[in-house]
Amino acid sequence: KAGVTQTPRYLIKTRGQQVTLSCSPISGHRSVSWYQQTPGQGLQFLFEYFSETQRNKGNFPGRFSGRQFSNSRSEMNVSTLELGDSALYLCASTPLAGAENEQFFGPGTRLTVL
Amino acid sequence: GEDVEQSLFLSVREGDSSVINCTYTDSSSTYLYWYKQEPGAGLQLLTYIFSNMDMKQDQRLTVLLNKKDKHLSLRIADTQTGDSAIYFCAERGNAGNMLTFGGGTRLMVKP
Repeated sequence: KAGVTQTPRYLIKTRGQQVTLSCSPISGHRSVSWYQQTPGQGLQFLFEYFSETQRNKGNFPGRFSGRQFSNSRSEMNVSTLELGDSALYLCASTPLAGAENEQFFGPGTRLTVL
Repeated sequence: GEDVEQSLFLSVREGDSSVINCTYTDSSSTYLYWYKQEPGAGLQLLTYIFSNMDMKQDQRLTVLLNKKDKHLSLRIADTQTGDSAIYFCAERGNAGNMLTFGGGTRLMVKP
């Protein structure tokens, strides 16, 4: 089985721009969660999508948004980028049911905001 | 909010056992996880334990959970240089799949 894939792997943007990151979960997985990892704040939960609906949301401003498609692929969008948005963005994929305890992470997208 | 704490750094010699500790505050935690992160990579799921268990063994890895004290540990037997990485513990509450992570413990294995 292929793992979680994230595209692009690296991205450089300037302040004020917007960015869209993509995550394809493991085949058959229906839940996708997003996390931001920075040296200062560590790993922080952004949001979770399940069956195209946002199920949970972390404590991030409205500039951070996401969606999930019918094939379970998910995108997250950050508008009006700030320097502090520079981070590694990770998505995690979880099976539908029965093994919801296992969460598998992708390699991440490293975003640099200049 | 809920909190997960880990020590920052651990150094061991190759062949020794490593023990990485973690404490958490959420009494409604359902599952607790250990992840490994190597430089420039994502998180690799090592193992997890259900909150009503007190021990789980998986090859070189042993997880101990003291639910009363909210203390979790990961023991790596016969530690190898390839085990050098940052180890994160995480807890999942009872609302969806959201994980709360500790700050990570950097394990350095000396040959």
